[in-house]
Amino acid sequence: DTEVTQTPKHLVMGMTNKKSLKCEQHMGHRAMYWYKQKAKKPPELMFVYSYEKLSINESVPSRFSPECPNSSLLNLHLHALQPEDSALYLCASSQPGGDRGNANYGYTFGSGTRLTVV
Amino acid sequence: AQSVTQPDIHITVSEGASLELRCNYSYGATPYLFWYVQSPGQGLQLLLKYFSGDTLVQGIKGFEAEFKRSQSSFNLRKPSVHWSDAAEYFCAVGARTNAGKSTFGDGTTLTVKP
Repeated sequence: DTEVTQTPKHLVMGMTNKKSLKCEQHMGHRAMYWYKQKAKKPPELMFVYSYEKLSINESVPSRFSPECPNSSLLNLHLHALQPEDSALYLCASSQPGGDRGNANYGYTFGSGTRLTVV
Repeated sequence: AQSVTQPDIHITVSEGASLELRCNYSYGATPYLFWYVQSPGQGLQLLLKYFSGDTLVQGIKGFEAEFKRSQSSFNLRKPSVHWSDAAEYFCAVGARTNAGKSTFGDGTTLTVKP
């Protein structure tokens, strides 16, 4: 299995809703990532989990809350979002590399969740 | 800090013509370098990567890229473009530290004319 699966593919939520995005991989990768991508822009890193521990939070607002229940799953919990948070949310995984396992050998991306906040 | 510049926002080529997409990076040491492709509404797919060794790397879908340290470049090439290659292409640099964080360029949109 060489895929990263994201659900749902599309999500529309109100500003007072609570929802979750899910990501699953079965490639044995031990690093997982959340990226946010606005139209016609490159992906922007939000969070990095390495060996199930949060290693990078790129100053993301607290209305986004990541969770890594095990080495195959990554969730992104959403609460009280703003319309400007509407975007494509991409999950990726990689095999840690480098001298201390803190580099990546290339990401495998999911197809993303298209989020619209109304 | 690492950074990537893709000088060409939009490139149009005819089907069957050759292609070169430019990428320049900034990083204090030898970086990990990647090219990704994104079709509309989809996630990104890794085309190829460079870590060390041979400076000419082969990827999927007939793409190749050449690492030139002296020019801080990692340009993507394909000898004959197919209509299905129309997409957004991102160059990325990955640090050898910092939990595998990759920084992406702004992307180049490739249009293929019949």
